[in-house]
Amino acid sequence: DTGVSQDPRHKITKRGQNVTFRCDPISEHNRLYWYRQTLGQGPEFLTYFQNEAQLEKSRLLSDRFSAERPKGSFSTLEIQRTEQGDSAMYLCASSLVPLAYEQYFGPGTRLTVT
Amino acid sequence: LAKTTQPISMDSYEGQEVNITCSHNNIATNDYITWYQQFPSQGPRFIIQGYKTKVTNEVASLFIPADRKSSTLSLPRVSLSDTAVYYCLVGDTMNRDDKIIFGKGTRLHILP
Repeated sequence: DTGVSQDPRHKITKRGQNVTFRCDPISEHNRLYWYRQTLGQGPEFLTYFQNEAQLEKSRLLSDRFSAERPKGSFSTLEIQRTEQGDSAMYLCASSLVPLAYEQYFGPGTRLTVT
Repeated sequence: LAKTTQPISMDSYEGQEVNITCSHNNIATNDYITWYQQFPSQGPRFIIQGYKTKVTNEVASLFIPADRKSSTLSLPRVSLSDTAVYYCLVGDTMNRDDKIIFGKGTRLHILP
């Protein structure tokens, strides 16, 4: 257990539905990251926050995806109008600036879109 | 970000020492070398980081030659539970704007 938790661990949804995932980082970590991982690939960066500010979004993140980190604590990732191609593991990680490369990952949320 | 190259997969036997080499010819002066381990259905886990020479912790050792164009992750006396994907990452860990980019990693399979 790294201290980063994610909820839910598994989500099955029908195409076109909206889903929301939650991540609770290690409490003193000011940086929070979201990644997506598909089978056989390494995690792909989606977005990250420093405190409550969203500093960067990947071009992979279409406008159906939105992430928030109110008050610089937990974060949510919402996917609207899900598509089958959104099926993946969604990983959250946190770190303490400036140690950007020492990230602590949660267990992930596995999304299946049917 | 420096590009890294590592073997796609490796097999070894329990009790053996395993060495996974990563090439990073374009490593920059401020870059560190970081390794992560990922078990199936889990998030990656930070295992070791170094800048030069040798770093050792309770999990692994990291060997970095003087030119820093490659690095070797060494796992002593592996067990079946070391079967995982190992990612080599290179970047400026102290750069507030830097983010890590994972490749496909090395899939290590330990046989009994």
